[in-house]
Amino acid sequence: NAGVTQTPKFQVLKTGQSMTLQCAQDMNHEYMSWYRQDPGMGLRLIHYSVGAGITDQGEVPNGYNVSRSTTEDFPLRLLSAAPSQTSVYFCASSYSWGGNEKLFFGSGTQLSVL
Amino acid sequence: TQLLEQSPQFLSIQEGENLTVYCNSSSVFSSLQWYRQEPGEGPVLLVTVVTGGEVKKLKRLTFQFGDARKDSSLHITAAQTGDTGLYLCAGEEGNNRLAFGKGNQVVVIP
Repeated sequence: NAGVTQTPKFQVLKTGQSMTLQCAQDMNHEYMSWYRQDPGMGLRLIHYSVGAGITDQGEVPNGYNVSRSTTEDFPLRLLSAAPSQTSVYFCASSYSWGGNEKLFFGSGTQLSVL
Repeated sequence: TQLLEQSPQFLSIQEGENLTVYCNSSSVFSSLQWYRQEPGEGPVLLVTVVTGGEVKKLKRLTFQFGDARKDSSLHITAAQTGDTGLYLCAGEEGNNRLAFGKGNQVVVIP
């Protein structure tokens, strides 16, 4: 199984550019989420989805959009990139939602905004 | 809101030594999870503890959930270089959110 696949692995943007980080899972998981990881800040939740057609905001949603048109895909859109969005982004999924559920993470996207 | 405090933030030990890292909160959690993250990769789940006072062992790793379900510890016996990584604890924050601590960076020197 491929698990959770994120693309691209690395990306450099200029301030004001837009882009989409792709995330796909092949495990038929209902729950999907996006985190950003910054030095000294840990993993912070950006957006999440409990099923196709349902999304909600996490701790740091500003500047990001998401949609969930299929169970498999959960793209993260940066509308107008800012240097503050320089970070490592992780997509994660689980079979359903609950504190006991195992989260499967992708290998991350390292984004630099100049 | 960061509910989970992990200490120490950084720990360097010699191979063969023992170590303990901590995850503390003022909130009560129904369960806590521990993940390990290696450079350039996403976190991987090690264990979930669900009962106050519970102790779980995973080879040389021992996880304990506090009686009041507000804290947890991870003890590594006879550390190996393969134990090097960032250890993250996580607990359900409510509203379908999983909150992570900032992590314990462990470096095992050969």
